[in-house]
Amino acid sequence: GAGVSQTPSNKVTEKGKYVELRCDPISGHTALYWYRQSLGQGPEFLIYFQGTGAADDSGLPNDRFFAVRPEGSVSTLKIQRTERGDSAVYLCASSLNDPPTEAFFGQGTRLTVV
Amino acid sequence: SQQGEEDPQALSIQEGENATMNCSYKTSINNLQWYRQNSGRGLVHLILIRSNEREKHSGRLRVTLDTSKKSSSLLITASRAADTASYFCATGTGNQFYFGTGTSLTVIP
Repeated sequence: GAGVSQTPSNKVTEKGKYVELRCDPISGHTALYWYRQSLGQGPEFLIYFQGTGAADDSGLPNDRFFAVRPEGSVSTLKIQRTERGDSAVYLCASSLNDPPTEAFFGQGTRLTVV
Repeated sequence: SQQGEEDPQALSIQEGENATMNCSYKTSINNLQWYRQNSGRGLVHLILIRSNEREKHSGRLRVTLDTSKKSSSLLITASRAADTASYFCATGTGNQFYFGTGTSLTVIP
């Protein structure tokens, strides 16, 4: 596609529920990143994919968070048993180069856990 | 975890003035990038400087990098109201980017 697409743009869920956030990267970009950004803070690294494999998942805060990219394109970030502290904007980015030089970001998914 | 730290946290200037933002980081890097963010949503890449470069220009942007001090600066010359945004440095280590805390820039028309 023309840019990185993230859906939904906004998600409100109840505490304890399961959510999935989708990222559709730029076609042909092999690197894909997930970040989380809280209000007034910089984006916090969560996980990096190179192709289908998670090359670095050291930023995932705990085992409630999981991400997949089964065909090396679309990625899904999954959060189980959501907590109010999970409320944030979840940003996805993709990059062509390896190692990456410029990352292209989607508009993010604003997750609110009530 | 966040690698970089921007200074100042907030900056307010008059249109036409220059804006300077600084970024300090802690570990070795391959490159350092600056991004802009409007309204807390998607980030836009502005410029990249490699660890073996000291200065780079792009339009009204000038970036410097001092690896001995682990610091970088972003200068926006002749600022415009449309430059109002948050600016983040991102340090490239291996294949990951780690973002700083950001500088909120307000350009007053």
